[in-house]
Amino acid sequence: SQQGEEDPQALSIQEGENATMNCSYKTSINNLQWYRQNSGRGLVHLILIRSNEREKHSGRLRVTLDTSKKSSSLLITASRAADTASYFCATDASNYGQNFVFGPGTRLSVLP
Amino acid sequence: GAGVSQSPSNKVTEKGKDVELRCDPISGHTALYWYRQSLGQGLEFLIYFQGNSAPDKSGLPSDRFSAERTGGSVSTLTIQRTQQEDSAVYLCASSPNLGNNSPLHFGNGTRLTVT
Repeated sequence: SQQGEEDPQALSIQEGENATMNCSYKTSINNLQWYRQNSGRGLVHLILIRSNEREKHSGRLRVTLDTSKKSSSLLITASRAADTASYFCATDASNYGQNFVFGPGTRLSVLP
Repeated sequence: GAGVSQSPSNKVTEKGKDVELRCDPISGHTALYWYRQSLGQGLEFLIYFQGNSAPDKSGLPSDRFSAERTGGSVSTLTIQRTQQEDSAVYLCASSPNLGNNSPLHFGNGTRLTVT
């Protein structure tokens, strides 16, 4: 089974609204990362949050981490059509060695 | 500077043929990863190289899959006797140093179609 799982699988919102995506994982982690993937492209790193951090901001992005619930959320505020993409969380669970485990992603559509 | 480069961007091959996929990581990045992404799915870990250490091959799905990283730079992923279920996008990523706090830099992938 996958280490990280995002929900919802798909999200459709209007431009200007906020988008919230969630990620759950199963084992202890050192950090959790969020990536964005535009159609037909590779993944682009958005933000990294360490296990001893609870919240982190970067521009219009806000990430929270709750290690007791083994969950994280990604909030995109004031969404734009250009935010349309798939969003993935990735964890580096210590028992997975040095590789990163990605969830299946959330497909976000921002309608103009 | 240049990002991670993968070639070819698209590859169509017949079932049973061998294919080689190439990845040029960012210069100076010591860690290199291969992932596979099926249509609309997440990423499946295949193999990880770190410097001169033995690679972590734990994600390779069968012995038809192999990968090399020559001189600590360019990597090739080889799939022998391709099957239709091998059709996917193969993504390569590199990272600047050992440790789990470095983000991955991805190439745009090679879309493999086995007919």
